Amino acid sequence: GAGVSQSPSNKVTEKGKDVELRCDPISGHTALYWYRQRLGQGLEFLIYFQGNSAPDKSGLPSDRFSAERTGESVSTLTIQRTQQEDSAVYLCASSFQGTQNSPLHFGNGTRLTVT
Amino acid sequence: GQSLEQPSEVTAVEGAIVQINCTYQTSGFYGLSWYQQHDGGAPTFLSYNGLDGLEETGRFSSFLSRSDSYGYLLLQELQMKDSASYFCAVRGRSNDYKLSFGAGTTVTVRA
Repeated sequence: GAGVSQSPSNKVTEKGKDVELRCDPISGHTALYWYRQRLGQGLEFLIYFQGNSAPDKSGLPSDRFSAERTGESVSTLTIQRTQQEDSAVYLCASSFQGTQNSPLHFGNGTRLTVT
Repeated sequence: GQSLEQPSEVTAVEGAIVQINCTYQTSGFYGLSWYQQHDGGAPTFLSYNGLDGLEETGRFSSFLSRSDSYGYLLLQELQMKDSASYFCAVRGRSNDYKLSFGAGTTVTVRA
């Protein structure tokens, strides 16, 4: 079946502009995660959605970052007034029910470059 | 919060065995997972340990000791395609679905 789909795959933007990144999770997966990965580094948790529960936003680095999810489907991550330090790969993942041992299925990410 | 430590790089030859250690400090603990990421690709799930002991999946095995806050991933019969980054990850509590990742270990397999 289809995996996690992210768009765009690459995004180049000027400093100060807003960007919107999209994630289509695997159908039936109730949990959705956003991570940030800077070059050569690990995965930095940003936000987590589970069903109709309030999202866990504890990883969002500043109020310039926000994310929404419609039901159990598409999610968008928005970065306002982008800065060069926002340059990274933004990875989306989904899992079934978000239980303790449910593996995360990752998309190929959006590579964001802020010039 | 959670912090995880793993070696940054490991190099080995084809056919060899590599062990990647992961030590963690968490406010709670609810399972250790391992993910593989090839250069430019998406991370993919390898294994999960919720209880102490060894889990084996083909050439890869993962071990957990909760009393030592320690686990490892064992890669056997190394192949060139195993060259990738490997991340350990933990969940802190049963109702905390945030998965915290280590910085990753880059494994380079030489002919």
